[in-house]
Amino acid sequence: SQKIEQNSEALNIQEGKTATLTCNYTNYSPAYLQWYRQDPGRGPVFLLLIRENEKEKRKERLKVTFDTTLKQSLFHITASQPADSATYLCALAFYSSASKIIFGSGTRLSIRP
Amino acid sequence: DTAVSQTPKYLVTQMGNDKSIKCEQNLGHDTMYWYKQDSKKFLKIMFSYNNKELIINETVPNRFSPKSPDKAHLNLHINSLELGDSAVYFCASSQVPREGYTFGSGTRLTVV
Repeated sequence: SQKIEQNSEALNIQEGKTATLTCNYTNYSPAYLQWYRQDPGRGPVFLLLIRENEKEKRKERLKVTFDTTLKQSLFHITASQPADSATYLCALAFYSSASKIIFGSGTRLSIRP
Repeated sequence: DTAVSQTPKYLVTQMGNDKSIKCEQNLGHDTMYWYKQDSKKFLKIMFSYNNKELIINETVPNRFSPKSPDKAHLNLHINSLELGDSAVYFCASSQVPREGYTFGSGTRLTVV
């Protein structure tokens, strides 16, 4: 069956460390993989997109990797801050369905001071 | 200026009622979506419209009917509400398919 799994429901990280979140998928062949941030009571906010032919993408303190062989994406936040605390969602997009993306259930990240 | 705005933010209603949620985007995007987020936080697509034309209609009960009067608006009407319809409904838009979506802040629907 098709699945998108994100690592543990919650992740607790000390401020200043690098937070690493995982997104694994099975029986999908995505063209793109996206990462979103969601704060309580708010809609998801788009952060980064990585294409299947890209290995790595960076934006400020964020880094995303995409390994289509392992069927995995890693999302890193370096020099983490309490303000980075939120739920992070990965989402897959496909060539066969131009307008549909499928979301994982998210990882709740807490950065403690 | 709010890019994607939904109203109302909260909706509490009794079983069997009919209700509507409105969505407007001022980004000039061609494609709009409705997603449902359940209590386990899964976001599932319901509908997608491209320039007023329905292009995605997932397995959603017929009681749910989207309407897009123009490409900046996508409304969701729900008939005969059931307890299981309780969830947060998000509207979103995008200019380029597969690329980043802009979401509204959600409508929390509670059916009692």
